[in-house]
Amino acid sequence: AQKVTQAQTEISVVEKEDVTLDCVYETRDTTYYLFWYKQPPSGELVFLIRRNSFDEQNEISGRYSWNFQKSTSSFNFTITASQVVDSAVYFCALRSRGSNYKLTFGKGTLLTVNP
Amino acid sequence: DTGVSQDPRHKITKRGQNVTFRCDPISEHNRLYWYRQTLGQGPEFLTYFQNEAQLEKSRLLSDRFSAERPKGSFSTLEIQRTEQGDSAMYLCASRGGGVIYEQFFGPGTRLTVL
Repeated sequence: AQKVTQAQTEISVVEKEDVTLDCVYETRDTTYYLFWYKQPPSGELVFLIRRNSFDEQNEISGRYSWNFQKSTSSFNFTITASQVVDSAVYFCALRSRGSNYKLTFGKGTLLTVNP
Repeated sequence: DTGVSQDPRHKITKRGQNVTFRCDPISEHNRLYWYRQTLGQGPEFLTYFQNEAQLEKSRLLSDRFSAERPKGSFSTLEIQRTEQGDSAMYLCASRGGGVIYEQFFGPGTRLTVL
């Protein structure tokens, strides 16, 4: 069975602070994909990043960076110099190869960035 | 707008009524997924279509739920004899072919059962 755990239910920061959202996953598959989605108050899930299980290289995209560590089954997401517009619920998700590509989501972390 | 669209965006119904939701995927996407998201939870998989064929259904999809994709384009999700526990956001996502294409989500239909 697959499982994604986002232990942080809510995080509140002040604008310009850095913030890291944690994600721990469980799977028996050797080939899998990890994702982060953003869900603003409007409700639509916005794709942020996909990572393959065989590629542990960390990635940076502007103020966003992702740290993938297979040894600890973690795929953490850091926002540098947070902004009010970053306020949203962030979901980590897992997809195994051959599972019809359906996603298993964590419960999400509500990030509030205060001015 | 070339994204995934869903209709209606909001639906309020009384317990016992039937409701139907529609999803229009991105036009070139032949894979379509339905998820359900309850308050404070992440989306949970309900069912999957490849073209018009429904290839997988979750155990969450009780007998009161039925989904169709008759011509391999838009899809409908019907809930019969709604219950208060059906209150949730129903999300549709679509994906193109291949092994790496992401799922793109629609804005969802928020169902409230009174």
